[in-house]
Amino acid sequence: DGGITQSPKYLFRKEGQNVTLSCEQNLNHDAMYWYRQDPGQGLRLIYYSQIVNDFQKGDIAEGYSVSREKKESFPLTVTSAQKNPTAFYLCASRPSQGRGTEAFFGQGTRLTVV
Amino acid sequence: AQSVSQHNHHVILSEAASLELGCNYSYGGTVNLFWYVQYPGQHLQLLLKYFSGDPLVKGIKGFEAEFIKSKFSFNLRKPSVQWSDTAEYFCAVDGNKLVFGAGTILRVKS
Repeated sequence: DGGITQSPKYLFRKEGQNVTLSCEQNLNHDAMYWYRQDPGQGLRLIYYSQIVNDFQKGDIAEGYSVSREKKESFPLTVTSAQKNPTAFYLCASRPSQGRGTEAFFGQGTRLTVV
Repeated sequence: AQSVSQHNHHVILSEAASLELGCNYSYGGTVNLFWYVQYPGQHLQLLLKYFSGDPLVKGIKGFEAEFIKSKFSFNLRKPSVQWSDTAEYFCAVDGNKLVFGAGTILRVKS
């Protein structure tokens, strides 16, 4: 089955620890995205990558980092510098940035920091 | 800066009522526009999109949206809603990045 896989579905971490969320796609898409979804705030863009080995900051990149070493993978690290990391994180991919292409979403990871 | 504004956060309608959800965007260049829907417990999925051509676009399940360039708007409409339309709806603008609005939660009473 083609699609986007985020793992794990639920993640718990202690305050002060870094944590990495996985996102893998087998759709051969060039563009990948990370969003954070909070009630009443919609999806806010954290980072995006238009092509392998390249990525750009989104609107709320502080306290997060990413890498794009392989086309199919775009992991997100939530660092201890992120002040309010407890949230629902969504990964998406699409054939390319722009050109009206549809974005496909993973099932999300709910991160709880205690 | 690129941004999207959705006018209503919560909308409650009775079945068969007409729906219009507002969406305005800010971006200085050419844009593509989308509406996505998230049904309870499901992934976000595409409802419809505007890429070019006819500004009135039709999507799945009887939804349509009109792109009005002069107003920077892309409002979503449906003539008669059903209970199964209960979901959260997101407008998105695709300029130099894909940015979503805050979402509108629609509840349809049967």
